Amino acid sequence: NAGVMQNPRHLVRRRGQEARLRCSPMKGHSHVYWYRQLPEEGLKFMVYLQKENIIDESGMPKERFSAEFPKEGPSILRIQQVVRGDSAAYFCASSPSQGTDLNYGYTFGSGTRLTVV
Amino acid sequence: DQQVKQNSPSLSVQEGRISILNCDYTNSMFDYFLWYKKYPAEGPTFLISISSIKDKNEDGRFTVFLNKSAKHLSLHIVPSQPGDSAVYFCAQKSGGSNYKLTFGKGTLLTVNP
Repeated sequence: NAGVMQNPRHLVRRRGQEARLRCSPMKGHSHVYWYRQLPEEGLKFMVYLQKENIIDESGMPKERFSAEFPKEGPSILRIQQVVRGDSAAYFCASSPSQGTDLNYGYTFGSGTRLTVV
Repeated sequence: DQQVKQNSPSLSVQEGRISILNCDYTNSMFDYFLWYKKYPAEGPTFLISISSIKDKNEDGRFTVFLNKSAKHLSLHIVPSQPGDSAVYFCAQKSGGSNYKLTFGKGTLLTVNP
C-alpha cells in the first residue's frame, strides 16, 4: 500500500516561471491537504481539497497560487510567476475522511522542495 | 503571531538519557495535540497525540504531558536512541476546524551515541 506520493522531489525554477507540484493520495483517500514549510518555520496550512472540489483555500496566497484535485489523477498545486519567496518545502497529506483523528494524524508525503533562482 | 511555540530550536542528549521537548500554545480551544517526527528529506510522520481532556498519554518510550493551566505540553523520550535524532513538531488541532493543524517551528533533537 503505497503512501502519499509527491513529485518531483526537487524542483528548480527561475523567477517568473511556473511550478507544478503533484500529489497522489494514499489508495482510498479522497481528501487532500497542502502545507508549506518556509525555511526555519513550521508547516502552514494552504488548502484542503476533495475530488473536484476546493473545500478551504484560506491559507493560499491570494495571487499566483492555485490548486486542483481532478476526478482522475493527482492533486496539483500550481504556482505561477514564481518569486524567490516561494522557495520552500511543499507537503501534501491525505485522509480517508475529513480531518485528522486523535489516534491517527495525517499521512504526509515526502514533499517537494522548490528552489527559485 | 505564533499560536504554537517551540522555543528550543535544538536539543542534544546522550543515548540512554531522557529527551524532553517542549511546546507552548495560546489557543485554549483545542481538541488535541499531535507530535510529528521528521527526518531530513522526508515528510512528517505521526508519533503520538494527546486529547484536551487528558493530562498524559504514553506509548512505549514516548510520553506526552499536557498542562492546560500553563498552556504547555512536553514530549518525553526515554531512553533516547540515536535513531530518534530528527526534527519534532507539535501541532494543534483546534476546535474551530476538524482538518487544520497549526504547527510549531520544530525542535531538532540530536541523540549522541
